[in-house]
Formats: sequence, C-alpha cells, structure tokens
Amino acid sequence: GQQLNQSPQSMFIQEGEDVSMNCTSSSIFNTWLWYKQDPGEGPVLLIALYKAGELTSNGRLTAQFGITRKDSFLNISASIPSDVGIYFCAGGNAGNMLTFGGGTRLMVKP
Amino acid sequence: NAGVTQTPKFQVLKTGQSMTLQCAQDMNHEYMSWYRQDPGMGLRLIHYSVGAGITDQGEVPNGYNVSRSTTEDFPLRLLSAAPSQTSVYFCASQSQVSYNSPLHFGNGTRLTVT
Repeated sequence: GQQLNQSPQSMFIQEGEDVSMNCTSSSIFNTWLWYKQDPGEGPVLLIALYKAGELTSNGRLTAQFGITRKDSFLNISASIPSDVGIYFCAGGNAGNMLTFGGGTRLMVKP
Repeated sequence: NAGVTQTPKFQVLKTGQSMTLQCAQDMNHEYMSWYRQDPGMGLRLIHYSVGAGITDQGEVPNGYNVSRSTTEDFPLRLLSAAPSQTSVYFCASQSQVSYNSPLHFGNGTRLTVT
C-alpha cells in the first residue's frame, strides 16, 4: 500500500518556539490533510489542502501542499502548552481511503 | 451534538475472547470506518462502509468483522482476540464518500488483550 513518512516522530520544544513537521510519499496525492490528536481523544482536522502548491493558514498553523503532490508540511508559530498532542498528516485520492502518516508527538515545555 | 460516540472507552480481554466495539453517529453520515492506532504506525484502516448494508475491507481487516444495518451504527467485532490486537481503535464518519470531506473521529476505545 501507499506509505507516508512523517517526521520528526517526536519533538520536545520550549514554549514560544516555532515548530515544523513534514510528510513525504513515494506516491502522488490529490488531497493533504493535517489532524491533531489531543491526549485521550480522537484526531480532529486542522487544515485541508486540495491543490498542489496551496499554502493555507489556520491561526498560528500554516500548511503547504507540495508542488510535486508527494509532500506536505505543517508549521506552528509561537507554540503554547495546548499545542501538545500528536499531529498526523493524511493523503487522499479518489476511492476515499486516506493514508495516514505515523504521527509527530509534540511536547511543549512551559 | 454528540458526533461520533464509541463505547467502551477501555477494555481488557483474554486471548480467545470475543467482543464488539460499538460506534454510533448522529450526523446522518453515509461513510463510516474503523481504524487502529499503534505507536509510530499512524492510523490504519480496518473496515469501512459507504452506506447501510455495504461494507468493505481496509488495509488490516484480518481478525475483525463489521456490519452496517443502519446509517447510525457501525459495530466492530473481534471474533477471537489475540495480543496483536492490543491497540487503540477509532471509529470515524464522513458526510459523503469523497476524500474532500473531512473525517469526524470518536474518542477511541483502548483495548488490551492478555
């Protein structure tokens, strides 16, 4: 099946720092999605990207759909304690099945 | 709005036991799916359904059965639990069968098989 490589696997940063994570794939996707999972809860959609090269922001979050359609990145600016959680990328194509990355566990030190 | 509701939140089974994980959604979504989450492996699709009466296998279907008798409910059955099925299970729903439509996840069921 399709594989998504998400990196880094975990990050431990100081509050106020910027964060960057990315996903790469050997296959092309038509949609890239970024989800966040808070401890003890299910993933929640943060940002959806539908076009190659698209750059979309949601508050302090910015995500980009790579021009080759094989990668995407998520940036978080000025991190705060509530940013703690696991961030998942997901790629989608026709047929509806999303492929998820392995997740990036973010820990923020106050 | 309740959204996607999963029960139970936690379960411990002995090897060989069977059980059903419940999932219900109140958003009238056609598409429902089950994922398992294992450390470093992200979310892997077990089974999915595009509407009542229709189910299909995902990436890791072995050891699991599903049925979709109503739009609202999509239970996941473990016929004979194995330690390899220790995981966190998430049910999700989607308003339409399209990768453009976001998934809504439940809060998960943490299953331990001893």
